Amino acid sequence: GDSVTQMEGPVTLSEEAFLTINCTYTATGYPSLFWYVQYPGEGLQLLLKATKADDKGSNKGFEATYRKETTSFHLEKGSVQVSDSAVYFCALSGNYGGSQGNLIFGKGTKLSVKP
Amino acid sequence: EAGVVQSPRYKIIEKKQPVAFWCNPISGHNTLYWYLQNLGQGPELLIRYENEEAVDDSQLPKDRFSAERLKGVDSTLKIQPAELGDSAVYLCASSLESAGNTEAFFGQGTRLTVV
Repeated sequence: GDSVTQMEGPVTLSEEAFLTINCTYTATGYPSLFWYVQYPGEGLQLLLKATKADDKGSNKGFEATYRKETTSFHLEKGSVQVSDSAVYFCALSGNYGGSQGNLIFGKGTKLSVKP
Repeated sequence: EAGVVQSPRYKIIEKKQPVAFWCNPISGHNTLYWYLQNLGQGPELLIRYENEEAVDDSQLPKDRFSAERLKGVDSTLKIQPAELGDSAVYLCASSLESAGNTEAFFGQGTRLTVV
């Protein structure tokens, strides 16, 4: 079945460092890909998404490109801030059959940014 | 606009007792999801509703879990009887459509502890 694998954390960075969180997926067909973020004490929020190959999703300085050839959707940010400390989840949503619309999540990567 | 509202936020019960969680989705959203999130893991789908119809309940443990969405708006998830392994966060989400690229909005979740 469909699945998402993301790099395990925790990841600890200094402020203004470059961030990469790796995410790869296995899916039938052409899924949509998402990054969700969960700040401490809050619910999951959509950070960015991409719906087809070579699409780049971006938001709040974060970017991820849908790479079909490598089945990847790595999250990047050029300069992280303390306020980016959160848990980041990569997810996919199949576009076929009865599972259409269901989100399949990775295990999450906890990011801590130190001043 | 109000987001997805869940209650209670926290619940502690003894094993073998029943428990219920309530979710009020964003107004107008026809699709509602219940997810289970174990500690250190990503959310996993329990059930998805389109309006009042459960279109995917394949992951719902039907021996002890039940859900309903009367009138296609609010939803209730019930566990009877609860087991120690049910301790987790139960997330509700809603979206306007069930298509794979549609954003799902999440509530803050109900943290269940079974003792």
